[in-house]
Amino acid sequence: AQKITQTQPGMFVQEKEAVTLDCTYDTSDPSYGLFWYKQPSSGEMIFLIYQGSYDQQNATEGRYSLNFQKARKSANLVISASQLGDSAMYFCAMREGSQGSYIPTFGRGTSLIVHP
Amino acid sequence: EAQVTQNPRYLITVTGKKLTVTCSQNMNHEYMSWYRQDPGLGLRQIYYSMNVEVTDKGDVPEGYKVSRKEKRNFPLILESPSPNQTSLYFCASSSPGLGQLFEQYFGPGTRLTVT
Repeated sequence: AQKITQTQPGMFVQEKEAVTLDCTYDTSDPSYGLFWYKQPSSGEMIFLIYQGSYDQQNATEGRYSLNFQKARKSANLVISASQLGDSAMYFCAMREGSQGSYIPTFGRGTSLIVHP
Repeated sequence: EAQVTQNPRYLITVTGKKLTVTCSQNMNHEYMSWYRQDPGLGLRQIYYSMNVEVTDKGDVPEGYKVSRKEKRNFPLILESPSPNQTSLYFCASSSPGLGQLFEQYFGPGTRLTVT
């Protein structure tokens, strides 16, 4: 079974609107961390935001926020006020702690296109 | 500057010709990994290493070899490349642990084409 599931192969959003990229995960480890990365067309992987399993509050980094629903095992990325430069692939990833030796697992990614 | 470097960035080769993609990090990270990225499949882990002389298979290790003789270097070796190994390859490194400080640092990627 996949540990990280991103069900949206592609998403479209109008510039300046908000968009949510879905990510669900599967783990029995009580200690884990969830990451989101952005991959623009140039190819590099850019770290965006992190959420730990014990964090009480949802993580935020500028226009990025993580909607963390632990009971549902979801960690959706919310991008507010989309910009043309947000067009990219977005990957959700998980690192498991005590049981997983911290080796990260990635989802298949979501391609986001921001329309002017 | 903290970074992971990979070389070469682009490589076109022929079936069966051995090649090595180098990876080096300057952050004294224990963990290093190799991934391949293919359309629709995301990043799949090839091999990883938890420290010097400690390596293990990831999800798609067939056709690849690695070695970790020094902490900073983690080369990926394709002994006899085949066209199905045409892909975008990433090297990554991190320290063990959970938290934002333990994010993975990625190299710039190596685009390999095997004809």
